Amino acid sequence: GEDVEQSLFLSVREGDSSVINCTYTDSSSTYLYWYKQEPGAGLQLLTYIFSNMDMKQDQRLTVLLNKKDKHLSLRIADTQTGDSAIYFCAETGSAGNNRKLIWGLGTSLAVNP
Amino acid sequence: EAGVTQFPSHSVIEKGQTVTLRCDPISGHDNLYWYRRVMGKEIKFLLHFVKESKQDESGMPNNRFLAERTGGTYSTLKVQPAELEDSGVYFCASSPLLINNEQFFGPGTRLTVL
Repeated sequence: GEDVEQSLFLSVREGDSSVINCTYTDSSSTYLYWYKQEPGAGLQLLTYIFSNMDMKQDQRLTVLLNKKDKHLSLRIADTQTGDSAIYFCAETGSAGNNRKLIWGLGTSLAVNP
Repeated sequence: EAGVTQFPSHSVIEKGQTVTLRCDPISGHDNLYWYRRVMGKEIKFLLHFVKESKQDESGMPNNRFLAERTGGTYSTLKVQPAELEDSGVYFCASSPLLINNEQFFGPGTRLTVL
């Protein structure tokens, strides 16, 4: 069945880079997503990558996709205390209209000053 | 533009009672999704509406859950009767019909069944 796995916790110092990793099992995954949830808030889309891409960069965020190994990573450069949140990896195997998402458990990122 | 809204933000009920959760999607979004996160577990897909039609309800746990989207605007998710294992955070998301790479999420409803 479909499965998405992430490590549960990551702690970094302010100014360092954070790398959050995710593995998935569905080889038909079409889109892969990173969502962020700040305390008491909803789920906010950070970025997504289409399965035919290897990398996507958006300001401080870099997403790397290794489709052969089914591995996705999110790198946050110059991590700030405001980046402290839970980061969810999610994928959808559908290119059609039903983009139901399969989620990881989320990685809790703690940024220490 | 208003985002996805959900009501209530919190609900505490006793086992056996009925609760109805409401989701108002972004205006004009035909796709509407319900997800649930039970504590300690991953977020799980419940169902997907396209306008007023259920496109995929494969994630609905059992027949105690009933989702509706009359008129293709807001949606309700009724749990009747509620059980302890129904406790969790229920998220709603919406997206446009044709450009649906991103689902916009509401803040969630935290349901506690005692």
